Amino acid sequence: KAGVTQTPRYLIKTRGQQVTLSCSPISGHRSVSWYQQTPGQGLQFLFEYFSETQRNKGNFPGRFSGRQFSNSRSEMNVSTLELGDSALYLCASSLAPGNGNTIYFGEGSWLTVV
Amino acid sequence: AQTVTQSQPEMSVQEAETVTLSCTYDTSENNYYLFWYKQPPSRQMILVIRQEAYKQQNATENRFSVNFQKAAKSFSLKISDSQLGDTAMYFCAFMKYGGATNKLIFGTGTLLAVQP
Repeated sequence: KAGVTQTPRYLIKTRGQQVTLSCSPISGHRSVSWYQQTPGQGLQFLFEYFSETQRNKGNFPGRFSGRQFSNSRSEMNVSTLELGDSALYLCASSLAPGNGNTIYFGEGSWLTVV
Repeated sequence: AQTVTQSQPEMSVQEAETVTLSCTYDTSENNYYLFWYKQPPSRQMILVIRQEAYKQQNATENRFSVNFQKAAKSFSLKISDSQLGDTAMYFCAFMKYGGATNKLIFGTGTLLAVQP
């Protein structure tokens, strides 16, 4: 059974550009969450999707957005990139939100903004 | 709001020995879940162990066990017979019970180095 797959794994962008990251959850999982990991701020929750609906959102500016498709795959987008957006972006999937279902993480997408 | 605190930024242990990583949390919730995740150099987060707050019995998974003290809001991880492959960053995490959310609140992590 394939794990959580994130693409691309590494990317470099210039300030002001936008970026789209993709996440394919484990087969059968319908809940997808995104986290940003930086040395300074640690692991911070970005947003959570279930059945194509955003269920929860972290404290991030509107430049950060996401969506989920009918096949449960998810994308997150960051517009007008800033140097501080350089981070490891982790996607996680589970069967459904709530009930303490086990959450599985992907290997992350490394974003560097120059 | 919930917070998770890991007061040990780095720890070191000799192979085959036992080490305990500390975690405290703050919440007004009565029911919740607590987790320990391991993040090796590959950066993929791997679930080590989980504890449901309504269960008094401490969770164990092979060489990993927890000491869950609900009243003290403490959730420590004990690794027995440490192995070189245990070298990683360890994160303690909190999740609310119910609420139809999988939002995890993480601590700042403890970098564990297992020495040969």
